Amino acid sequence: QKEVEQDPGPLSVPEGAIVSLNCTYSNSAFQYFMWYRQYSRKGPELLMYTYSSGNKEDGRFTAQVDKSSKYISLFIRDSQPSDSATYLCAMSETGGGADGLTFGKGTHLIIQP
Amino acid sequence: GAVVSQHPSRVICKSGTSVKIECRSLDFQATTMFWYRQFPKQSLMLMATSNEGSKATYEQGVEKDKFLINHASLTLSTLTVTSAHPEDSSFYICSARNRRDYNEQFFGPGTRLTVL
Repeated sequence: QKEVEQDPGPLSVPEGAIVSLNCTYSNSAFQYFMWYRQYSRKGPELLMYTYSSGNKEDGRFTAQVDKSSKYISLFIRDSQPSDSATYLCAMSETGGGADGLTFGKGTHLIIQP
Repeated sequence: GAVVSQHPSRVICKSGTSVKIECRSLDFQATTMFWYRQFPKQSLMLMATSNEGSKATYEQGVEKDKFLINHASLTLSTLTVTSAHPEDSSFYICSARNRRDYNEQFFGPGTRLTVL
């Protein structure tokens, strides 16, 4: 079983829809959870960073972490065509910068105009 | 903002040659840099952790004699793929940890390596 599971998609939704992206993981030691956005042939860009369980909101983006279920989510409200990209979840045990990150495969998201 | 650059962005080489990839933090000092590899439709896989002034720490399964990492300064780390073979063709991405903000890694734009 892989450490981090993420549906690669593609996930196609109409503009304005609410998007839900998810990851599950098996390592209970993960405490820091991140979502990155990656455009084709570019490096990942950090979107959201959360520690332990709970919710975090930033503009149209909301990140949720449920450590008891080992499940994390990213919600995108009022989705725009410019949101079309690959979204990667990432996790670490000791802080996002202290050690290397464990990534999911990424979900390819397409927002249809 | 924190910017990380990589050079070259794309390289094509013949089998058996060595290729050097540079990773630079442009506006901050990075005590730690990380090297990842990403195959098509796969996740980023951590290859090694590079600390300034010390030897890199390699992940299990990554050959340290094949992937030479040097982190000579607080703003530069290099990855050299020695005696490259077609199976080494991949997207190599570095990230850097800001010396002042330990919680975030900033990623470079990546280097596409194609070995013929």
